[in-house]
Amino acid sequence: QVQLVESGGGVVQPGGSLRLSCTASGLTFSRAGMHWVRQAPGKGLEWVAFIQFDDSRKNYADSVKGRFTISRDNPKNTMYLQMNSLRVEDTALYYCVKGYSYGFEDWGQGTLVTVSS
Amino acid sequence: QSALTQPPSASGSPGQSVTISCTGSSSDVGGYNQVSWYQQHPGKAPKFIIYEVNKRPSGVPDRFSGSKSGNTASLTVSGLQAEDEADYYCSSHTASRIWVFGGGTKLTVL
Repeated sequence: QVQLVESGGGVVQPGGSLRLSCTASGLTFSRAGMHWVRQAPGKGLEWVAFIQFDDSRKNYADSVKGRFTISRDNPKNTMYLQMNSLRVEDTALYYCVKGYSYGFEDWGQGTLVTVSS
Repeated sequence: QSALTQPPSASGSPGQSVTISCTGSSSDVGGYNQVSWYQQHPGKAPKFIIYEVNKRPSGVPDRFSGSKSGNTASLTVSGLQAEDEADYYCSSHTASRIWVFGGGTKLTVL
């Protein structure tokens, strides 16, 4: 059974930084494309970033490009999201998601990021 | 990249069928068979229910079906049950090699 556990969320001031982590188990992590998807309080889903299984491809939503960096450490079964220059509008529950055939197959429970002064 | 367009709400009585639309463009929904759908109950993570327009992951009831015509994809829920009341989201991969979601549809079982 796939388990994805996010951590690293918290409260940060505008302009600050946070690094989110996602630890995976129950899957061959080194063969899985992975995503970050976020959901602002009371709002819909927004795709944030994708990383190919072998780190050969990374893609970002326009809203975070240049500020967020996705990475992974396959031996540690862990994915990261480095978030810099945070804005109030980045406040959301951030989900770690395993990709499958251009869809989002398995979801973690999310970690909450709050950007506020 | 603009979000896909979904109706904000839909409803139906138990046993009936309801269809939710998801409209994009030739750069996403219309150009690729890479549309997927998600069910989200309050306070829960989304659940993967349809991929590649009309394929169901293992364990998803066949009451859920997907289709596509032109730039619009659709999710049909047949034989509505009380537990189908949830938010539903569509998503598509795009020509820009990114993903977009629809704004979500709240399905109410009357």
